[in-house]
Amino acid sequence: QKEVEQNSGPLSVPEGAIASLNCTYSDRGSQSFFWYRQYSGKSPELIMSIYSNGDKEDGRFTAQLNKASQYVSLLIRDSQPSDSATYLCAAPPSGNTGKLIFGQGTTLQVKP
Amino acid sequence: DVKVTQSSRYLVKRTGEKVFLECVQDMDHENMFWYRQDPGLGLRLIYFSYDVKMKEKGDIPEGYSVSREKKERFSLILESASTNQTSMYLCASSQPRGYGYTFGSGTRLTVV
Repeated sequence: QKEVEQNSGPLSVPEGAIASLNCTYSDRGSQSFFWYRQYSGKSPELIMSIYSNGDKEDGRFTAQLNKASQYVSLLIRDSQPSDSATYLCAAPPSGNTGKLIFGQGTTLQVKP
Repeated sequence: DVKVTQSSRYLVKRTGEKVFLECVQDMDHENMFWYRQDPGLGLRLIYFSYDVKMKEKGDIPEGYSVSREKKERFSLILESASTNQTSMYLCASSQPRGYGYTFGSGTRLTVV
């Protein structure tokens, strides 16, 4: 069973701090990784994708990928209360039919 | 912007009714997906489709069927609605490989 695992949280950080969200995956054949943000009662929204080892930065968000360790992370700098949401990690299984496997999500709370 | 439109935001149906959930995407995506999302259970794949008239079962297809007569439209059918099908239903679409999904806004279905 191919899996994507996340700590469900909640992860609580003060406003202005760095939030670090982590994800591990079991399928070494996965080649691309995605982070989605989901506000309560809303649908998931794609915020970051990463395909190569290393870091990818987009504004206050940085995705980090380490394929050897099968580990993906999302860093949110200068966290704002508006970042409070559930963050879902996703990866396609090898064979890559276009289907994604989602983690359970980590709930982030940013306290003013 | 890719748009995935789900026909209803909220729906209330009676037990035993046949229910149709409609999803339309406007970016010529090959792949379309139906998920349900329940607290503590994460996103669970019901059915997906790689092409017109093609469909494959996901993890929880029991009690559901789908139809894809046109590339842009993917319908989820609850043959005989039951209370345990009360959930948030999410439609998504994507390009064939290596791309993330775009989700619709979701349909919150209540079966009474």
